[in-house]
Amino acid sequence: NAGVMQNPRHLVRRRGQEARLRCSPMKGHSHVYWYRQLPEEGLKFMVYLQKENIIDESGMPKERFSAEFPKEGPSILRIQQVVRGDSAAYFCASSPGGSGEQYFGPGTRLTVT
Amino acid sequence: AQTVTQSQPEMSVQEAETVTLSCTYDTSESNYYLFWYKQPPSRQMILVIRQEAYKQQNATENRFSVNFQKAAKSFSLKISDSQLGDTAMYFCAFMFRTSNTGKLIFGQGTTLQVKP
Repeated sequence: NAGVMQNPRHLVRRRGQEARLRCSPMKGHSHVYWYRQLPEEGLKFMVYLQKENIIDESGMPKERFSAEFPKEGPSILRIQQVVRGDSAAYFCASSPGGSGEQYFGPGTRLTVT
Repeated sequence: AQTVTQSQPEMSVQEAETVTLSCTYDTSESNYYLFWYKQPPSRQMILVIRQEAYKQQNATENRFSVNFQKAAKSFSLKISDSQLGDTAMYFCAFMFRTSNTGKLIFGQGTTLQVKP
């Protein structure tokens, strides 16, 4: 059973460009979570999605950030007009239900130059 | 708001010895989960152990065990017979059990160095 997949693993963007991060949950998991880890810090919750629905986006910045989990295909975290402060590791996790263990992907390291 | 505090930014232990990592949390809820995650240099987040708050028995997974003190809101991780591969950052995390949010609230992490 393949684990949570994230791509790309590393992404470099210039200020003002768009970043698209992809996450494929584990087989059989319909709940996806996105977290951000700034250097030398713990992970911070961003958003929780089920297929075609955003359940909790309380951790998402109000502007430039959006997330989706379509009926078909991976979950996408989109950051528009990136700034240097967006440089971080972005982790996706999935679970079979809305509580309990979450299984993490390897993360996408975003660098904004 | 719920908070998770790990008061030890860094710790070290000799190989084969035992080490305990501390974690405290703050919540008014009674039904929740607590977790320890490990993040080695590869940065992959790996679940180490899980505790359900309604269970009085402390969780154990091989060399890893917890000391869960619900009244004190304390959740420490004990690593026995430490191995070089245990070198990593360790995060304590909290999750409501009954909420529909499912989000994990993480502590700041403790960097553990296992020395040969």
